[in-house]
Amino acid sequence: GAVVSQHPSWVICKSGTSVKIECRSLDFQATTMFWYRQFPKQSLMLMATSNEGSKATYEQGVEKDKFLINHASLTLSTLTVTSAHPEDSSFYICSFRAPSEAKNIQYFGAGTRLSVL
Amino acid sequence: AQSVTQLDSQVPVFEEAPVELRCNYSSSVSVYLFWYVQYPNQGLQLLLKYLSGSTLVKGINGFEAEFNKSQTSFHLRKPSVHISDTAEYFCAVSTEGYSTLTFGKGTMLLVSP
Repeated sequence: GAVVSQHPSWVICKSGTSVKIECRSLDFQATTMFWYRQFPKQSLMLMATSNEGSKATYEQGVEKDKFLINHASLTLSTLTVTSAHPEDSSFYICSFRAPSEAKNIQYFGAGTRLSVL
Repeated sequence: AQSVTQLDSQVPVFEEAPVELRCNYSSSVSVYLFWYVQYPNQGLQLLLKYLSGSTLVKGINGFEAEFNKSQTSFHLRKPSVHISDTAEYFCAVSTEGYSTLTFGKGTMLLVSP
């Protein structure tokens, strides 16, 4: 399967600071990518969908001003958690869908565990 | 809208025993079905997928799943599990076009010696 690199794998930050998470597709160009959030022992919840060169579409209840998504190129997307608070502590996972994958096969990064103190 | 139900939150099994992880879905249109595996502190890895054609699909690591349209199910099976199969397994569904994936709540497979 395709390779998706997500960085960092774990980050600890102080409350009020911002954290940027990078997600790269290493062997294909992706027009669409997704950011998910996962709480302990729970399923993945879609946060937003982004298309390269366009603004991200956020799911209901996700604050777009808090979770800034930049899909700057066909191989790179970033999620910035602004003014992080302890309740933002979670596991964040990105995924890419290659243009040819019309049947919604997504390739996932390894995830980033965010701990806000 | 589609939904996915994984009835078992946890399935304990002994090594070399067979296992079935259950998944039922709900959708008013044709679906694509997926099983993903997640090891601790890692992302999701695609195990197998049903897009069309044969209802019995084989995936990696000896897993297989059968699409049953009448029962709206897509149960995952393995005839003989290993300790290394211990992980969280997620069933997911999407529909025609560029729709998003909807995940079930996951089933933790616990394989003991």
